[in-house]
Amino acid sequence: AQSVTQLGSHVSVSEGALVLLRCNYSSSVPPYLFWYVQYPNQGLQLLLKYTSAATLVKGINGFEAEFKKSETSFHLTKPSAHMSDAAEYFCAVTEGSGGSYIPTFGRGTSLIVHP
Amino acid sequence: DTEVTQTPKHLVMGMTNKKSLKCEQHMGHRAMYWYKQKAKKPPELMFVYSYEKLSINESVPSRFSPECPNSSLLNLHLHALQPEDSALYLCASSQDGKGGQPQHFGDGTRLSIL
Repeated sequence: AQSVTQLGSHVSVSEGALVLLRCNYSSSVPPYLFWYVQYPNQGLQLLLKYTSAATLVKGINGFEAEFKKSETSFHLTKPSAHMSDAAEYFCAVTEGSGGSYIPTFGRGTSLIVHP
Repeated sequence: DTEVTQTPKHLVMGMTNKKSLKCEQHMGHRAMYWYKQKAKKPPELMFVYSYEKLSINESVPSRFSPECPNSSLLNLHLHALQPEDSALYLCASSQDGKGGQPQHFGDGTRLSIL
C-alpha cells in the first residue's frame, strides 16, 4: 500500500525567500514520485517527477526535488519565491514493479507568497 | 495551454436534470481518468479507462455514468445529482497507465447542483 504525507497545509514565504514544501511517502515497492501544481481555476500541472534515475530532479519554473530513500522523503524546493508561485501543490506517489499505478495524492500544501 | 480539453468549463444544473461532461485528448494516450475535487482537497479518483475499457470504478454512485466512445474521448453522464456532488470534475490522461507515467490534466468542469 502506498501513502503520501504533506506536512503543513499552508506555507507562507516572502518574495525572494527559499521555498520548501515537504513530502514523505510510504510504499511497499520502489516508488515513482511526482509534484503537481494547481493554480486557481485550473487543473493540475506536472512540476517534476522521480522515476529511479537521478535522485535530484529539476522541474519547471525553477523548482527541484531530492529523493531520499533513507528518509522516505521527496521535498520540493525553489531558491527564490516569486509572486506567481502562489498556488496549491500536491505530492503524489505511484508504485513500480507491479504495484498500483494509480497515483495517491497528498492533501496538498497552499503556498502563499508575500511581497 | 492544456493538452486535455474539458467542456463545459462551468455547469449549473438542477437535481432532476441530465447533462454530460466531455473530455478530449489528442496525445495518443490510452489511459483516461475522471476525478472529483472539492475546494482545497486533493483529487479523488472516480473512474479509470484503459484502452477504452473501464478498469476501475471507485464505488461511484450510479448517478454518474462514464463512457469512452474512442481513444480520444471520455464522457461523464450525470443524472439526478445531489447538492453534495457540486465540485470541480477533472479529466486526466496518461500514456498507457503504467506506473511512472505522469498524468496530464484538463482544467476541469466546475459543477454546481441547485
